[in-house]
Amino acid sequence: GQQVMQIPQYQHVQEGEDFTTYCNSSTTLSNIQWYKQRPGGHPVFLIQLVKSGEVKKQKRLTFQFGEAKKNSSLHITATQTTDVGTYFCAGPTDKLIFGTGTRLQVFP
Amino acid sequence: DGGITQSPKYLFRKEGQNVTLSCEQNLNHDAMYWYRQDPGQGLRLIYYSQIVNDFQKGDIAEGYSVSREKKESFPLTVTSAQKNPTAFYLCASSIEGTYSYEQYFGPGTRLTVT
Repeated sequence: GQQVMQIPQYQHVQEGEDFTTYCNSSTTLSNIQWYKQRPGGHPVFLIQLVKSGEVKKQKRLTFQFGEAKKNSSLHITATQTTDVGTYFCAGPTDKLIFGTGTRLQVFP
Repeated sequence: DGGITQSPKYLFRKEGQNVTLSCEQNLNHDAMYWYRQDPGQGLRLIYYSQIVNDFQKGDIAEGYSVSREKKESFPLTVTSAQKNPTAFYLCASSIEGTYSYEQYFGPGTRLTVT
């Protein structure tokens, strides 16, 4: 079946450092969604990318969808303690497949 | 305020008991979903419903049952047949079930079975 993998599984950074998580699908995706889950909380939708090669920005967050629509990345510039949480990508087949997630810890 | 509510937030049960988790939404969404999340893990789909009176099994449906009698409600029953029921259960909804739309999640129910 389709798999969506994310790397790294964990990332610890000093506040102010950059952070990137990568999402790779075994099949081509029609779109990719990104969610953030704060510790103890529930996933919250961040963004959806649809077009091949698409890049979208939200303040310090930059999202990219690969040319082949099989991979995606989320880059955070100058991390803050409020960025702590687990970031999930998700891509659709007959259902929405969530990636394994990257847990980000930011040390002040 | 529009959103999804799940109750209770924490639930404790003895092994061998069935338990029903509540999920209600007032977003007028057609599609609803139940996910299970284990510590440090991703989300695994239990059941989903794209329309009232219809639902499909997800990846880990064994030991669970659902109903969708009303558009707003999608309760999940964890039966005694579920071998390892202790987990964080998340309910979600979306405008429709084509996966072109974002999913809105409820706050979740943490179930502990001893």
